[in-house]
Parts: sequence; structure tokens; C-alpha cells
Amino acid sequence: DAKTTQPPSMDCAEGRAANLPCNHSTISGNEYVYWYRQIHSQGPQYIIHGLKNNETNEMASLIITEDRKSSTLILPHATLRDTAVYYCIVRPNSGNTPLVFGKGTRLSVIA
Amino acid sequence: GAVVSQHPSRVICKSGTSVKIECRSLDFQATTMFWYRQFPKKSLMLMATSNEGSKATYEQGVEKDKFLINHASLTLSTLTVTSAHPEDSSFYICSARDMDREHGYGYTFGSGTRLTVV
Repeated sequence: DAKTTQPPSMDCAEGRAANLPCNHSTISGNEYVYWYRQIHSQGPQYIIHGLKNNETNEMASLIITEDRKSSTLILPHATLRDTAVYYCIVRPNSGNTPLVFGKGTRLSVIA
Repeated sequence: GAVVSQHPSRVICKSGTSVKIECRSLDFQATTMFWYRQFPKKSLMLMATSNEGSKATYEQGVEKDKFLINHASLTLSTLTVTSAHPEDSSFYICSARDMDREHGYGYTFGSGTRLTVV
């Protein structure tokens, strides 16, 4: 079972920042937070991951609370192509554990 | 970056026939691959873990005799849906882990196969 809770849907105006929250209150000390997204009828795409420090890459920023019980994915300037389902996943940092997907958040970027 | 090629992207088959879906890691070796299925507007559900050179591990409720998985090499895993029924119609997605990358970004997904059984 997925160990994360996300809002089912969100809207964001094009050009504005999209902030997608995720609750993972039962996260273990050795588990990372990963974000993937799935554009319609495609395979999931990796976005970013982190353990406890905030992370930033060319796609997004990840803000993890100090107690690690929640996190926020930030798309700084959302475009129409960012419309997708975003999945927040927690996973141990080693081994062949598969990614277990929850229901995710359907982000709609509106022109 | 790591690329996973999945074929075919779409297939339509008749009830009772079998369909094979291929998942290839193009530029890395994958001792472990994962197969998921996804129904419309639903999330990905893990079906099985495919291990190179050994039997696949199936999730509870997934019929191993119906969904045959073969992982004969470090770059290829196949999923065969046997005696397909209309209820097997779904979006099947494979994932391969780049063993040179320890963390989750080492999980690369194929583009998926849309199976329609008529």
C-alpha cells in the first residue's frame, strides 16, 4: 500500500508556480521521498527525490518538512505541458524495492 | 540517460489468444524489472517483479499462469498475457532499475502498452 496522501486534483494558471503537497507521516528514517509524473497514456517520468534536505533540479524543487512527515513539490513556472498526474512515493534507499504508486494528484495547468 | 523501450505500444487481440509485450533496457543492464498495469483513471498497480535468470515474483491476486514473465537476459523482460479476455484490457507498463544508480531515479519506465481484447 502507498504510504502517501495527496489531494486528488489541483489547478494552476500557466506561468504561475504549482505547489503540490504530499503527506507521508509514517515515513521511516531510511526512506526517501520521490516524485514522478505521468502524462496521459505515457509511462511515469522521474522528477526529483530527497531525504531530508530541500532539493532543486532543472524540473522542480522539493521542500521536505523538518519532521519529514510532509513535502511539497514546486514547479516554479508551470506550462501546459506540465499537465499530468503527479505521484509522491516513499521508498527505502537501497535494494530492489519497487515503486508503489498511490492515487497521485492530477494537475491541470490552465492557459 | 537510461532508456527503456517497450513494444508494442498498442495491440488489439481476440479473446482467447495470447499477447507478448517486450521491455528492453537500451543502455544499461537490469537484473530486476517490474511490470505494472493501469486501468483508466486509476493508478499503477504492481503486478510482478521480474528477476533475470530466475522466476518472477507475483503480487497477491495476480495469476502467474495467465501473466507469464520471462527475464532471459539482463536487457530484456517479456510479459505474455495468455488466453486474453476483455477484462485484461488495460495499460501495461514496465520499469527497469539501472543497477549503477542506487536511488529511485534509477527506475526508468517504458512508454506503456495499450492492450485491447475484443
